[in-house]
Amino acid sequence: AQKITQTQPGMFVQEKEAVTLDCTYDTSDPSYGLFWYKQPSSGEMIFLIYQGSYDQQNATEGRYSLNFQKARKSANLVISASQLGDSAMYFCAMREAGNSGGSNYKLTFGKGTLLTVNP
Amino acid sequence: DTAVSQTPKYLVTQMGNDKSIKCEQNLGHDTMYWYKQDSKKFLKIMFSYNNKELIINETVPNRFSPKSPDKAHLNLHINSLELGDSAVYFCASSPLVGGYTEAFFGQGTRLTVV
Repeated sequence: AQKITQTQPGMFVQEKEAVTLDCTYDTSDPSYGLFWYKQPSSGEMIFLIYQGSYDQQNATEGRYSLNFQKARKSANLVISASQLGDSAMYFCAMREAGNSGGSNYKLTFGKGTLLTVNP
Repeated sequence: DTAVSQTPKYLVTQMGNDKSIKCEQNLGHDTMYWYKQDSKKFLKIMFSYNNKELIINETVPNRFSPKSPDKAHLNLHINSLELGDSAVYFCASSPLVGGYTEAFFGQGTRLTVV
């Protein structure tokens, strides 16, 4: 079973509007971290935002916020006021805190969502 | 003051050759990784090292041999390169394990095997 599922291969949004990128995860570990990364066309991986499984509040970083619904095992990324520079591939990832098979020594990534911001 | 640097950025080579990709981090992190990103952009862990010790070898062919001379360096050597090895290889590092820390990525090495 996939640990991280991103169901939207591609998304389009109009500049200045908000967009939500979906991410669901699968783990039996009670302690884990969820991450979002951005990969622009230049190829580098840029860390955006983190949510811990025990965090009571949704994480926010500037225009990025994470809609964390633990019972539904979802960690959607919300980008407010989209900008042309937000056009990129976005990856959701998880690190589990347990040491089963070295799971705490890796980030497991989803397949990504390609976001295009239209002017 | 690059945090995680890997060289070269581009590597074009013929099938059957042996090549190395170097990675260094100046963040003082204990854990380093190699990830492979295929043509569909899927990122998959290959290796994970903690303080020079191999922790994860994610069913990677033994033509791939990581080497960690110290905890700041994790190099990747690939023997007998095949066409299917063409991909972008990312080195990364993180300070702690336990679910709470992001990984910092290098800029990637685009390997093309012809």
